[in-house]
Amino acid sequence: GAVVSQHPSWVICKSGTSVKIECRSLDFQATTMFWYRQFPKQSLMLMATSNEGSKATYEQGVEKDKFLINHASLTLSTLTVTSAHPEDSSFYICSASGSGRSLRTQYFGPGTRLLVL
Amino acid sequence: AQSVTQLDSQVPVFEEAPVELRCNYSSSVSVYLFWYVQYPNQGLQLLLKYLSGSTLVKGINGFEAEFNKSQTSFHLRKPSVHISDTAEYFCAVSDQQGGSEKLVFGKGTKLTVNP
Repeated sequence: GAVVSQHPSWVICKSGTSVKIECRSLDFQATTMFWYRQFPKQSLMLMATSNEGSKATYEQGVEKDKFLINHASLTLSTLTVTSAHPEDSSFYICSASGSGRSLRTQYFGPGTRLLVL
Repeated sequence: AQSVTQLDSQVPVFEEAPVELRCNYSSSVSVYLFWYVQYPNQGLQLLLKYLSGSTLVKGINGFEAEFNKSQTSFHLRKPSVHISDTAEYFCAVSDQQGGSEKLVFGKGTKLTVNP
């Protein structure tokens, strides 16, 4: 139980294009979803927190117009990197928490590797 | 605000030896505590968590951790490691009283199990 998926696992795009990453909770309702960025050999950096049906709350220093987050349902959140540039290349990981065994506990997706050329 | 310190950035150990990965935290309020494991190019997998109750918590893959409130520690232990335990391990805390459920992570400990 408490499985989170992400799609795609890998994406390569040209500079200036937009990329959408999906995060789904497969067997529980995720009232809250989180988006992280991880640089090589470093810990996770929280980018934003989203609650179903509400606007996302972004961490300081994260551009909300560049990293668009939508949490339209209790099982799906999307992160869109708009006008991507090479410095946006990174490993993006989502997590979700909700009720039951996911209460007060974040379960993580497998991550999405983004490479911007 | 909370902070998490993982005292060892790298821990090499031989197969079948015991291991302890140390985690200390700082917080002005009560916290929930977590250990996650990350294999290369993958997301994080929950190993175990302390929310309440017994301070000795057993998790998956033979790992356990003990919450010590007086020492503000939550060290992770395994009596006998396998090659497959080689991975990055992250300790994390969240605020019990806040509603955001944000996690504060340590910098991670790279466990390498050698044959």
